Amino acid sequence: DAGVIQSPRHEVTEMGQEVTLRCKPISGHDYLFWYRQTMMRGLELLIYFNNNVPIDDSGMPEDRFSAKMPNASFSTLKIQPSEPRDSAVYFCASSSTGGTTDTQYFGPGTRLTVL
Amino acid sequence: AQSVTQPDIHITVSEGASLELRCNYSYGATPYLFWYVQSPGQGLQLLLKYFSGDTLVQGIKGFEAEFKRSQSSFNLRKPSVHWSDAAEYFCAVGAHNFNKFYFGSGTKLNVKP
Repeated sequence: DAGVIQSPRHEVTEMGQEVTLRCKPISGHDYLFWYRQTMMRGLELLIYFNNNVPIDDSGMPEDRFSAKMPNASFSTLKIQPSEPRDSAVYFCASSSTGGTTDTQYFGPGTRLTVL
Repeated sequence: AQSVTQPDIHITVSEGASLELRCNYSYGATPYLFWYVQSPGQGLQLLLKYFSGDTLVQGIKGFEAEFKRSQSSFNLRKPSVHWSDAAEYFCAVGAHNFNKFYFGSGTKLNVKP
């Protein structure tokens, strides 16, 4: 298995632009998670999906952030408009059955820089 | 509220020396505890996890961790560190009924030759 795939690996954009991050979970995994990692706040859960349905988006920082999962093999995290404080590494993770006891497999992350 | 504290931001050890990374948690019930490792430019990889039972947990790459309820700790150990262990290590606590993990701020491990 190729593991969790994220694209792009690096993104540099200017303030005010729209940014779309992409994630392909491990095949057969029913849960997908989006995390953000910053120096100031560490690793934070933004949102997670179960069977393509958003379950908890309480970690999404504000309305500029949105996430979708149109099918079991693809999810996007969109920031519109982007701001410099959105600069961070964004990770996608997936797990097979969900629940705290299940192992989450992380992708390599997308490093976003907003100028 | 749930929280995880990793008091050491950076640690440097010599190759072959023993290692202990500290983790303290705050949680209202019996926690689910995890250690992850993040190599440069990579995502997080699970090293080990504790749910119940034996308080000494064995993980991959020769790591182990011990759950001490009285100290609210879950320290990670390795008897002999290899240069390839240089990475950042994250402790996390999981909520029982939710798919949420609370991560510590991480400890960066440097290994001297």
